[in-house]
Amino acid sequence: NAGVTQTPKFQVLKTGQSMTLQCAQDMNHEYMSWYRQDPGMGLRLIHYSVGAGITDQGEVPNGYNVSRSTTEDFPLRLLSAAPSQTSVYFCASRRFMEVYGPGGYTFGSGTRLTVV
Amino acid sequence: KNEVEQSPQNLTAQEGEFITINCSYSVGISALHWLQQHPGGGIVSLFMLSSGKKKHGRLIATINIQEKHSSLHITASHPRDSAVYICAVNERGNEKLTFGTGTRLTIIP
Repeated sequence: NAGVTQTPKFQVLKTGQSMTLQCAQDMNHEYMSWYRQDPGMGLRLIHYSVGAGITDQGEVPNGYNVSRSTTEDFPLRLLSAAPSQTSVYFCASRRFMEVYGPGGYTFGSGTRLTVV
Repeated sequence: KNEVEQSPQNLTAQEGEFITINCSYSVGISALHWLQQHPGGGIVSLFMLSSGKKKHGRLIATINIQEKHSSLHITASHPRDSAVYICAVNERGNEKLTFGTGTRLTIIP
């Protein structure tokens, strides 16, 4: 199993450009989520999904869109990038009510995004 | 919204020392998670707790639901334990995670 795969690892965007951060998991996890990590602020939930066709907003959803057409994929779209969206983005997944290894969540390796 | 606080923010210790990192939260939860983030940035899930205590190798995690408090202990610490340790909680009834800001641990040989 590959776990959670995030692409790209690094991206530089100009203000106003759009892009999609990809997240895919091959573990048949129902729950998938996106977080951003900023210095001094910790990780914050952007959007999450409890299954195909079901998404909901987290703590900081503005400026981001998501969709979940399959169990495996949960892309994050930036419609019009702003410098405030410069951050490190993580995708994570887990099975409901099930311990995966010693813990609950599997994280992707992250995407470092810079908006200039 | 749940407030999650960790202490200390930074911790430097000698190799072999016993390490304790604390986490407190403000409202009831369905589960608490301890995560480890290495200098390279990757995040690994260490424990998921809803009650009691769990042990994995040299790591031990405990939770006191009544006091809304959890601790992560590392026995016989080693330089490879140097990382940021993050506490996160699931709100009751949903899967939303709220994170603490992390504890940066440095173990000196």
